[in-house]
Amino acid sequence: GDSVTQMEGPVTLSEEAFLTINCTYTATGYPSLFWYVQYPGEGLQLLLKATKADDKGSNKGFEATYRKETTSFHLEKGSVQVSDSAVYFCALSSNDYKLSFGAGTTVTVRA
Amino acid sequence: DAMVIQNPRYQVTQFGKPVTLSCSQTLNHNVMYWYQQKSSQAPKLLFHYYDKDFNNEADTPDNFQSRRPNTSFCFLDIRSPGLGDAAMYLCATSRKGRDGEQYFGPGTRLTVT
Repeated sequence: GDSVTQMEGPVTLSEEAFLTINCTYTATGYPSLFWYVQYPGEGLQLLLKATKADDKGSNKGFEATYRKETTSFHLEKGSVQVSDSAVYFCALSSNDYKLSFGAGTTVTVRA
Repeated sequence: DAMVIQNPRYQVTQFGKPVTLSCSQTLNHNVMYWYQQKSSQAPKLLFHYYDKDFNNEADTPDNFQSRRPNTSFCFLDIRSPGLGDAAMYLCATSRKGRDGEQYFGPGTRLTVT
């Protein structure tokens, strides 16, 4: 079945540091890949997505590239801010209605 | 703005007292989902509706029920809440035939006393 393995946290960084959160997946067919972000006390928000191999999703300075050969979708940001402190979930959909989530990575950015 | 709305944001109920959480959407999406999320764990899918067709996950307890009276609204009923049911409940929507992207509401934090 489908599964997502995500880098365990928590991750603590200083402002302006480089952030990488690793995500690898197992899926049948050609899944769509997502990164969702959850700020404290809120629901999940879509951060970025990629629907086919070699696509790069980007938003708010975050980027992730769909790598079929390594079955990966690593999230990166070059310079984090305190406001990026949140829980980040990698997810995939290999049909068009169910999401498989990774365990989530808690990121804390200190000023 | 089109969105997913959940009410209330915070709900306190007593052990064993039935409670209903509500979700509405203005996106006109045909699929609606209910998730349970504890701490900062990944959301756990309880069930979903594809239009009026109800789809229960195999491990969802019978204590959890759902209703979808129309396209816009979906309800989560917990018949006899236990202390273990305290969690964040997330509603989400999607349009079938798209790439699987789901749109989430802000969640309802349920406390069981």
